[in-house]
Amino acid sequence: DAEITQSPRHKITETGRQVTLACHQTWNHNNMFWYRQDLGHGLRLIHYSYGVHDTNKGEVSDGYSVSRSNTEDLPLTLESAASSQTSVYFCASSETSGGDETQYFGPGTRLLVL
Amino acid sequence: GEDVEQSLFLSVREGDSSVINCTYTDSSSTYLYWYKQEPGAGLQLLTYIFSNMDMKQDQRLTVLLNKKDKHLSLRIADTQTGDSAIYFCAVDSGGYNKLIFGAGTRLAVHP
Repeated sequence: DAEITQSPRHKITETGRQVTLACHQTWNHNNMFWYRQDLGHGLRLIHYSYGVHDTNKGEVSDGYSVSRSNTEDLPLTLESAASSQTSVYFCASSETSGGDETQYFGPGTRLLVL
Repeated sequence: GEDVEQSLFLSVREGDSSVINCTYTDSSSTYLYWYKQEPGAGLQLLTYIFSNMDMKQDQRLTVLLNKKDKHLSLRIADTQTGDSAIYFCAVDSGGYNKLIFGAGTRLAVHP
């Protein structure tokens, strides 16, 4: 069955370190998204991609970067981790079908920055 | 920009109906969604409605859309303890392949 996976599921790091969160989907979807979830804020979009070599900034992109070298993967990098980036991170993907834009979510990565 | 609002908390008794409400601002949204998030898990799609529909029913779930008032609701009939979760309303961004999410409504079901 097609799926979307994230790794690691839990991560503890120190401020100033570079951290990369992996996202891999086997749906063959063109669109991929990274969100962070914080209490009281719901889901906030960090970066997104509509296809290979395409990346776009979301509403909370400062301090994060992504690259899309193939269809299946969209890794999220925290250039220099800050305590404010402690959060739960979700990756999602969707088709470009011209129809509904249902997004399929990974299980999340819980990141703690000390 | 687009905004989606939901109440943050709802408590119901087991067996009663739950109604979760959502309002949005972008009238160009074509698809409107309800997602469910159980503790420690990602979001899973519950149902969605196309903007030219007023109502959609799927077993215990009923979605009502009032496009004039930009109001979306999710009714869960015969609510069970397994329905305890966070429910997110989301709308598409009018053709940009992005979804705008509300903050989520935490549904607590008690005996």
